[in-house]
Amino acid sequence: KQEVTQIPAALSVPEGENLVLNCSFTDSAIYNLQWFRQDPGKGLTSLLLIQSSQREQTSGRLNASLDKSSGRSTLYIAASQPGDSATYLCASILIKAAGNKLTFGGGTRVLVKP
Amino acid sequence: DGGITQSPKYLFRKEGQNVTLSCEQNLNHDAMYWYRQDPGQGLRLIYYSQIVNDFQKGDIAEGYSVSREKKESFPLTVTSAQKNPTAFYLCASRPQGGNTEAFFGQGTRLTVV
Repeated sequence: KQEVTQIPAALSVPEGENLVLNCSFTDSAIYNLQWFRQDPGKGLTSLLLIQSSQREQTSGRLNASLDKSSGRSTLYIAASQPGDSATYLCASILIKAAGNKLTFGGGTRVLVKP
Repeated sequence: DGGITQSPKYLFRKEGQNVTLSCEQNLNHDAMYWYRQDPGQGLRLIYYSQIVNDFQKGDIAEGYSVSREKKESFPLTVTSAQKNPTAFYLCASRPQGGNTEAFFGQGTRLTVV
């Protein structure tokens, strides 16, 4: 059974500082790893999808890395802004998972202070 | 605009009542999923469907039912057998295959009154 962990559960940084969010998983036989953002009371917005054959994926100020050998993915957000305040979740799909279902971490709640 | 629409945004249920949450997508995705989100527990899978007229139980299916009569629609019914239904419900869809990106709706918050 895949277990996905995100530590810390909450993070507070001053505006302009780079954010580093961690995601670890126990089974490296995955199709991909996906990062999401969730604002309070809202649904999930997909940020980045890293295929298992990729090492990293970039979109604007966001960069996500994937190291299957160590069971880790990291989401970097450069020059953080107050608008980046949200909960960030990672999720993976095991190759052997029925229905190609996503297994989620518990999320990291981020607060960027002006 | 392509996307996933969940309705209603807020729903109130009386004890012993069945309620149905709507999920519609116009992304032409084969697979659809229902997740439940509770504070401090993350997202848990209720039901999923990979093709029309077929669906499978997820990790917490007891007290819930679904149907998949059309590709674009995957409604979730919360029955009276679900003893603790107050939660945030999220619907997702993706193209067929494990290496594809999943997209989510805006959620329905269900409260028992």
